[in-house]
Amino acid sequence: AQTVTQSQPEMSVQEAETVTLSCTYDTSESDYYLFWYKQPPSRQMILVIRQEAYKQQNATENRFSVNFQKAAKSFSLKISDSQLGDAAMYFCAYRIFTSGGSNYKLTFGKGTLLTVNP
Amino acid sequence: EPEVTQTPSHQVTQMGQEVILRCVPISNHLYFYWYRQILGQKVEFLVSFYNNEISEKSEIFDDQFSVERPDGSNFTLKIRSTKLEDSAMYFCASGTWTLDTFGSGTRLTVV
Repeated sequence: AQTVTQSQPEMSVQEAETVTLSCTYDTSESDYYLFWYKQPPSRQMILVIRQEAYKQQNATENRFSVNFQKAAKSFSLKISDSQLGDAAMYFCAYRIFTSGGSNYKLTFGKGTLLTVNP
Repeated sequence: EPEVTQTPSHQVTQMGQEVILRCVPISNHLYFYWYRQILGQKVEFLVSFYNNEISEKSEIFDDQFSVERPDGSNFTLKIRSTKLEDSAMYFCASGTWTLDTFGSGTRLTVV
């Protein structure tokens, strides 16, 4: 079975500090995409960052960056200079990529609840 | 920026009633999905839709569920006879090969 594991149900960080959220996944496919989604209390799903598995360079979006270790099937999210607005549930997810396919569903982990302390 | 629009935002229904959740995907997207999130749990895949037909459905998506794209723009999820355990947040998403956009969700409460 293809799975995503987020081993930290909850994390907390002080405002302006850095925090890293862990994610591991299990797939036998070689071509896939990895994502981090943020879900604030409004429960909307907001894309934070995306990583293509074929790219060795780690993705970065402003204060958000990932550490992608393909061999270890690890995909952690680092949030630098944490802000109060970063407080949310964070979900790791992946999608298998098959050229010409008809379904690119996302498989999600159980999430990590991040609290930011002022 | 284009959005995926879901209506209603919140629906309360009695057990056994039929509900239709509506979604307007982004117009040039080809792939459409419904996901479900029971409160406090992870987001689960329900069904994917491509080229006017279901491309994959999960074990959750039993005979009580159906999807349609009736007029080429709207994308609906119907639950024929709701159960208490159908209470959840339902997300519609539309996308390309590589990226999806999620709607804001419909919170379904079955009483």
